[in-house]
Amino acid sequence: QKEVEQDPGPLSVPEGAIVSLNCTYSNSAFQYFMWYRQYSRKGPELLMYTYSSGNKEDGRFTAQVDKSSKYISLFIRDSQPSDSATYLCAMEGNTGGFKTIFGAGTRLFVKA
Amino acid sequence: DAGVTQSPTHLIKTRGQHVTLRCSPISGHKSVSWYQQVLGQGPQFIFQYYEKEERGRGNFPDRFSARQFPNYSSELNVNALLLGDSALYLCASSLYANTEAFFGQGTRLTVV
Repeated sequence: QKEVEQDPGPLSVPEGAIVSLNCTYSNSAFQYFMWYRQYSRKGPELLMYTYSSGNKEDGRFTAQVDKSSKYISLFIRDSQPSDSATYLCAMEGNTGGFKTIFGAGTRLFVKA
Repeated sequence: DAGVTQSPTHLIKTRGQHVTLRCSPISGHKSVSWYQQVLGQGPQFIFQYYEKEERGRGNFPDRFSARQFPNYSSELNVNALLLGDSALYLCASSLYANTEAFFGQGTRLTVV
């Protein structure tokens, strides 16, 4: 079993839809939770960063962390074609040495 | 302000050779992490350095090594290259060890 599970998609939605992206994890030592967006042939770009459980909002993006369920989500409101990219969840904690573990990424297509 | 810069951008090496990849973090950032990303997968954690000390290591063979210099730049070295080492190698920098990380554009390594 992978430490971080993320559905690779692809996920296709019409412009203006609300997008829900999710990851589950198995290691309770993770304390920092991140969402990155990666366009083709580019490095990942940090979207949201949260510590421990709770919600965080930034513009059209909302990140949720539920540590009791080991489940994190990213919601994108009013999705735009420019949001078409791969979305990566990532987690970090002291798991016998600090390391950051990424999910496989979900490929999102927003159709105009 | 310059972002994270990596060099070279592309590299072709022969099996058995050695390679050195370089990373310059954002000014003021003291932590550098290295990742390997194979096409269609999320980045895999290789190393994290903070204040020139190794803080975390992923599940990579001893052929992979890294170091961080007094100016916080970093090198990733890979010995005895295998075909399976072909990937995008990403460097990320952050202010401290557990804060938001910013990625460079990566070095695309092809081993033939």
